[in-house]
Amino acid sequence: SQKIEQNSEALNIQEGKTATLTCNYTNYSPAYLQWYRQDPGRGPVFLLLIRENEKEKRKERLKVTFDTTLKQSLFHITASQPADSATYLCSYSGNTPLVFGKGTRLSVIA
Amino acid sequence: DTGVSQDPRHKITKRGQNVTFRCDPISEHNRLYWYRQTLGQGPEFLTYFQNEAQLEKSRLLSDRFSAERPKGSFSTLEIQRTEQGDSAMYLCASSLPVGASRGEQYFGPGTRLTVT
Repeated sequence: SQKIEQNSEALNIQEGKTATLTCNYTNYSPAYLQWYRQDPGRGPVFLLLIRENEKEKRKERLKVTFDTTLKQSLFHITASQPADSATYLCSYSGNTPLVFGKGTRLSVIA
Repeated sequence: DTGVSQDPRHKITKRGQNVTFRCDPISEHNRLYWYRQTLGQGPEFLTYFQNEAQLEKSRLLSDRFSAERPKGSFSTLEIQRTEQGDSAMYLCASSLPVGASRGEQYFGPGTRLTVT
């Protein structure tokens, strides 16, 4: 069955640097990959979606890439700020409901 | 514009009791999803509805779990004979019909269940 893996449980970076989070999937390419942000004790919030035929998507300081050869999506936050500290979840969707990875907890240190 | 709401936000119950959670989706969303999330894990899909039809329920964790969406608006998730392993955050999400969106979901704040 399809699996989503976010290999880093936690990532610490300095304010102002670019944070890069990795999401790998097994088996077939999903139709879409989605990224969500989750703060402690709250539900996930949708950030970005990228299709399998798109290489890159941007939204303000966020950028997502999709590499079907590597079976990988990268999520970048440029000029990171302490307010970006949260858990970031990768998920895939197609004709089935979302399957989530475990998430990566990002801490941006001032 | 109101988002997805869930009630209660927190529930503490004794083992063996039944609990019911409610979810009110965004009004124009016809799809509604239930997930369970435990500490350090991503949300785990349980079931979903399109209008009042329950399209997938094989992922419900056991026959103690059931969900309804009788009029295609709000939904309830019931857990019978709760066990300590049921302690988790239960999340509800909604989305526009497939075709009107590419599947992005909007989550509620969750119901934190503690079984003692």
